[in-house]
Amino acid sequence: EAGVAQSPRYKIIEKRQSVAFWCNPISGHATLYWYQQILGQGPKLLIQFQNNGVVDDSQLPKDRFSAERLKGVDSTLKIQPAKLEDSAVYLCASSPDLNYGYTFGSGTRLTVV
Amino acid sequence: DQQVKQNSPSLSVQEGRISILNCDYTNSMFDYFLWYKKYPAEGPTFLISISSIKDKNEDGRFTVFLNKSAKHLSLHIVPSQPGDSAVYFCAARSKETSGSRLTFGEGTQLTVNP
Repeated sequence: EAGVAQSPRYKIIEKRQSVAFWCNPISGHATLYWYQQILGQGPKLLIQFQNNGVVDDSQLPKDRFSAERLKGVDSTLKIQPAKLEDSAVYLCASSPDLNYGYTFGSGTRLTVV
Repeated sequence: DQQVKQNSPSLSVQEGRISILNCDYTNSMFDYFLWYKKYPAEGPTFLISISSIKDKNEDGRFTVFLNKSAKHLSLHIVPSQPGDSAVYFCAARSKETSGSRLTFGEGTQLTVNP
């Protein structure tokens, strides 16, 4: 079984620029998550999708972050405009349903300078 | 508001000995707890979990203990192996949330020395 695919692996941008991350979950997994992991901290949920609907986006900074999961398969997370404090690893995960058998991707490491 | 806390940033043990990783939580609505392991440049991988109705769950070399009255859980690895060297995250789910959001601790770097 192929894992959760994320791209790019690394990204360096200047503050106020825009950036987008892509995630392809495990085939057949209905639930998709985006987590943000700042250095020295544990991952924090940004948004959770069930198929193409949003289940939980209470911790998503909606003034600058947006995410979509068109057709209920792959997903993109966008930051516009980026701030220095957005420097983090962005992890995508998926699970077959609303259970806790998450499979995480390797993440995208974002550096904002 | 750090609801899940791992107070030890790092732990070093000798191969073959026991590793004990600790985790404290404050939210009494947490009803399910998990441990994840993370190697550098990889995403976290699920290790073991425990429901709040239990006080112990065992899977091979890994055992998780839950003390609800103390709001404390621990992960025991016996015997420890060099390949266990990784960052370990404690995570919890609240029955208040509609989805399956996990709240993670900061992680503990375990180093197992040969």
